[in-house]
Amino acid sequence: GQQVQQSPASLVLQEGENAELQCNFSSTATQLQWFYQSPGGSLVSLLSNPSGTKHTGRLTSTTVTKERRSSLHISSSQTTDSGTYLCAMGYKLTFGTGTSLLVDP
Amino acid sequence: EAAVTQSPRSKVAVTGGKVTLSCHQTNNHDYMYWYRQDTGHGLRLIHYSYVADSTEKGDIPDGYKASRPSQENFSLILELASLSQTAVYFCASSDWGQDTQYFGPGTRLLVL
Repeated sequence: GQQVQQSPASLVLQEGENAELQCNFSSTATQLQWFYQSPGGSLVSLLSNPSGTKHTGRLTSTTVTKERRSSLHISSSQTTDSGTYLCAMGYKLTFGTGTSLLVDP
Repeated sequence: EAAVTQSPRSKVAVTGGKVTLSCHQTNNHDYMYWYRQDTGHGLRLIHYSYVADSTEKGDIPDGYKASRPSQENFSLILELASLSQTAVYFCASSDWGQDTQYFGPGTRLLVL
């Protein structure tokens, strides 16, 4: 079946630093979403980006479909960015295990 | 933004008992999904539906049934709850199969 690998598994930053999260998937993605899961557990869709580059606020996602990879860049990190970032592919969404981000003040 | 609600938000059940988790969406979406999340793992798809009165199996359907009585409502049923079904369950909806999915707040289920 489809597989999604995320790296790094965890990341610690000082506030203001940038973060680069990676997602690699096993087959061509017709749908690719990035989610944020808060420490309390709620899930929020950040970006839907099956190909190319998309920006929203301090987030930039770049997906190279033929190379089966996507990245999420977080600029000028804030303590409120702390949580888990999940990548998911396919219309039925196969999820990776996430990157746990901690931003220290 | 899509509004997806789930009930109950948490539940303690006994092994062998029946559990029903409910999901309601108010944005006229055709697709609805049930996922489970285990500690240290990503979410996995249990069942989904793209039209009322019809459900489809996801990646891990064993031990679960689903019901879609209307476009707005989608239930997940555990006929005989087991310890291994302790998890957080998320419902989601989307306008169509390739569209962004919107998630509910999750239901924490503990089976004792």
